[in-house]
Amino acid sequence: GAGVSQSPSNKVTEKGKDVELRCDPISGHTALYWYRQRLGQGLEFLIYFQGNSAPDKSGLPSDRFSAERTGESVSTLTIQRTQQEDSAVYLCASSLVGRTSTDTQYFGPGTRLTVL
Amino acid sequence: GNSVTQMEGPVTLSEEAFLTINCTYTATGYPSLFWYVQYPGEGLQLLLKATKADDKGSNKGFEATYRKETTSFHLEKGSVQVSDSAVYFCALYLLDEKLTFGTGTRLTIIP
Repeated sequence: GAGVSQSPSNKVTEKGKDVELRCDPISGHTALYWYRQRLGQGLEFLIYFQGNSAPDKSGLPSDRFSAERTGESVSTLTIQRTQQEDSAVYLCASSLVGRTSTDTQYFGPGTRLTVL
Repeated sequence: GNSVTQMEGPVTLSEEAFLTINCTYTATGYPSLFWYVQYPGEGLQLLLKATKADDKGSNKGFEATYRKETTSFHLEKGSVQVSDSAVYFCALYLLDEKLTFGTGTRLTIIP
């Protein structure tokens, strides 16, 4: 398909474990974004990539959260030593140009993370 | 900072009813405004957008008009269908800043 894909779709982990969430953006999109959606709440911005660099990491909630992007394509969001408050749906989006334009962000289906 | 306030849900309507979901914003500058929709089990999809004052975005029978004087972007549809049941998010965007979302409004349409 031509859309943004994310894996896994669901992840259940034990408190204290590390998890990796993957995002495959739309081919050719230079900008990639990660968001978190807690139950019953809006989307919280986490991090923005332009190419392989991240000019805005201001939304990462703690140093347990990190993300990287390689080949101007796939991105991985890593949460170390997971806590129960990390339980949420993690959404990835991509856009053609990025923050210097008003182009549309296209979202993936999300990864539902449950920390027991 | 920038923020979006939207009507709290859940909203339940009968099929063919008129829908309004209110959205107001606070922003430094002149943002672009969006409505995204999240159908059950699916990802967020752009429903419509408007990039300047008095613009009207429309799609799938939904409309929203960018009102600078009232800092609003209310979503309307004249006759809703069961298939419109979803969560609707209002959002704003300013160049070089992040996309800022409201908390979402869950809409349920009953036959």
